[in-house]
Amino acid sequence: DADVTQTPRNRITKTGKRIMLECSQTKGHDRMYWYRQDPGLGLQLIYYSFDVKDINKGEISDGYSVSRQAQAKFSLSLESAIPNQTALYFCATSVPGPPDTQYFGPGTRLTVL
Amino acid sequence: DQQVKQNSPSLSVQEGRISILNCDYTNSMFDYFLWYKKYPAEGPTFLISISSIKDKNEDGRFTVFLNKSAKHLSLHIVPSQPGDSAVYFCAARANAGGTSYGKLTFGQGTILTVHP
Repeated sequence: DADVTQTPRNRITKTGKRIMLECSQTKGHDRMYWYRQDPGLGLQLIYYSFDVKDINKGEISDGYSVSRQAQAKFSLSLESAIPNQTALYFCATSVPGPPDTQYFGPGTRLTVL
Repeated sequence: DQQVKQNSPSLSVQEGRISILNCDYTNSMFDYFLWYKKYPAEGPTFLISISSIKDKNEDGRFTVFLNKSAKHLSLHIVPSQPGDSAVYFCAARANAGGTSYGKLTFGQGTILTVHP
C-alpha cells in the first residue's frame, strides 16, 4: 500500500463549487504539505502543517483553506473554485531534520470548468 | 521571485550517454539541495541530495555537483537509460538562523527524454 494517498485522483468541477481534496499518510510523519503544479512553474507551496495544531500559509494560499484532522490526515479545500485553480495538486509529508526530504502522494488532477 | 531556476525545459539524450541537468539558485541561505524525479501520473520521488558544505555527492549512476560560488548545481546521470525519462525537479532548503522550517523551494522542472 502507498504511504501517502490522495483522493480523488481526478476531479472535474464547475466554477463556484466547493471542493475538498484529501490526503492520508501511514508514514507517521508530523509534517504535511499541499502543493500545486502548473506547467512551467514547478511545485508551489499552498499550505503546510508541522503538527495537528500548527498550520501555516505557503506562497499561494489565497482561495484555499486546509484542515488537519489528525496526524495522518490533511485536507485541502477550495471554497469557491475558479478556472485558474485547474492544476495538479500534491500532498507531501516529511520528518524534521536535514535535508527535510519530502515524500509525495500520487497527486490529484483538478479541472475547474 | 524565482529563487530556484531550471532554465532548460527539456533535454534529449541517447541511451548510454551522460545526461546533465542544471539548476541555479539565488538565496545564499539554502543549505541543502535535493533532486526529485517525477513520472507521469505519479508524485515526485526523492533521488539524491547534497549539503552546501560539500561539492559532490554520488549514488550509483547519479551524481550531484554543487558550485556555491556560482550558485549552481547539476545532476549527472551516467549512463542514461530509457527508464530515466521523467521530469526532474531541483529543490532547496533554507536554513534560517539554525532552525529548520522544513520548507523546500522547487525549480520549474526539466523533462528528460532518453532515446533507445
